[in-house]
Amino acid sequence: GQQVMQIPQYQHVQEGEDFTTYCNSSTTLSNIQWYKQRPGGHPVFLIQLVKSGEVKKQKRLTFQFGEAKKNSSLHITATQTTDVGTYFCAGPSGEYGNKLVFGAGTILRVKS
Amino acid sequence: ETGVTQTPRHLVMGMTNKKSLKCEQHLGHNAMYWYKQSAKKPLELMFVYSLEERVENNSVPSRFSPECPNSSHLFLHLHTLQPEDSALYLCASSLGPGQGMGGYTFGSGTRLTVV
Repeated sequence: GQQVMQIPQYQHVQEGEDFTTYCNSSTTLSNIQWYKQRPGGHPVFLIQLVKSGEVKKQKRLTFQFGEAKKNSSLHITATQTTDVGTYFCAGPSGEYGNKLVFGAGTILRVKS
Repeated sequence: ETGVTQTPRHLVMGMTNKKSLKCEQHLGHNAMYWYKQSAKKPLELMFVYSLEERVENNSVPSRFSPECPNSSHLFLHLHTLQPEDSALYLCASSLGPGQGMGGYTFGSGTRLTVV
């Protein structure tokens, strides 16, 4: 079945440093979604990318969808302690595309 | 509140107990899901209910039984669970694929401990 791989598994950065997490799918995706889960919390939807090569920004967060629609990245500029959490990518699967398959996530810790 | 309400927030149950998890959404979504989140494992999709498809996930043990009486409510009935079933159980909802799906809205989850 479809697999979504994410790297790195874990990253510990100094506050103010940049952070990037990468997502790769075993199949071409119709879209890719990103979620953030704070420690002790639940996943919260951040964004959905649909078009090949699409780039979207949300303040210090930049999301990119690869040209082949099989990979994606999330880049955070100048991390802050509020960025702490686990970042997940997810892609649709199944006949109707109504099943989201999640990557294992990247845990971000920020040292102040 | 996320718009998706899960109860209870915490549950401790013995292996011989029967309990149910409840999920409710009033976002106008017509697809609902159960996910299991265990330590050091990706989010695992357990069940999907949508207008287009009702999926009984064959890899989920029969001791988990879903029920979706309408598009706003979803239950997960539990019986004779094992300690390895201890996890965070997350309910989510979304627009159906016919409506562009979009992102999932997750509930706060039920932290289940099986003793």
